[in-house]
Amino acid sequence: GAGVSQSPSNKVTEKGKDVELRCDPISGHTALYWYRQSLGQGLEFLIYFQGNSAPDKSGLPSDRFSAERTGGSVSTLTIQRTQQEDSAVYLCASSFLAGLQYFGPGTRLTVL
Amino acid sequence: GESVGLHLPTLSVQEGDNSIINCAYSNSASDYFIWYKQESGKGPQFIIDIRSNMDKRQGQRVTVLLNKTVKHLSLQIAATQPGDSAVYFCAENFRNQGGKLIFGQGTELSVKP
Repeated sequence: GAGVSQSPSNKVTEKGKDVELRCDPISGHTALYWYRQSLGQGLEFLIYFQGNSAPDKSGLPSDRFSAERTGGSVSTLTIQRTQQEDSAVYLCASSFLAGLQYFGPGTRLTVL
Repeated sequence: GESVGLHLPTLSVQEGDNSIINCAYSNSASDYFIWYKQESGKGPQFIIDIRSNMDKRQGQRVTVLLNKTVKHLSLQIAATQPGDSAVYFCAENFRNQGGKLIFGQGTELSVKP
């Protein structure tokens, strides 16, 4: 079956603009996770969903970051008023309950 | 452990040699660990996992060792191949926190033909 997909694969934006990043999890997976990978860094947890609710948002760097999930499926990560330090690869993963996570290819965000 | 720093540790090996990649973790309560492989431009890919009630687990050409006393993991790759070139991450899975992963710094493995 299809894996986790993310769109767009690349996004270039200007400082101060809002961006939306999309994640389509594996069908039937109940949990969805967002991570961020900055250049030369490891992966940093941002937020996770169980169904449509987000029990843990502790990794979101600021209130400019938000995420939602609808229908227990697609999730959108929104970054408002983007800053240059937001430039990174944003990775989404999904799993059944809290099991093994399967990652998408990521969205590379560049803020000019 | 947490990921800090600008430069990934690098391991360079000759094709056919064995590789050992190390990882330290910080939370003594962690009970489930996973190794991921990340190739350039791709998302992390599962390699092997281990639970804290084990100290060794073997897969195809890979072995993970867990030393809970010193909070250390290692990934051993036998007969390393050019296709093994990638960045390798260990991760702690916090199952009591929804399964979120806390990743180590990562090690870049370079295989010379």
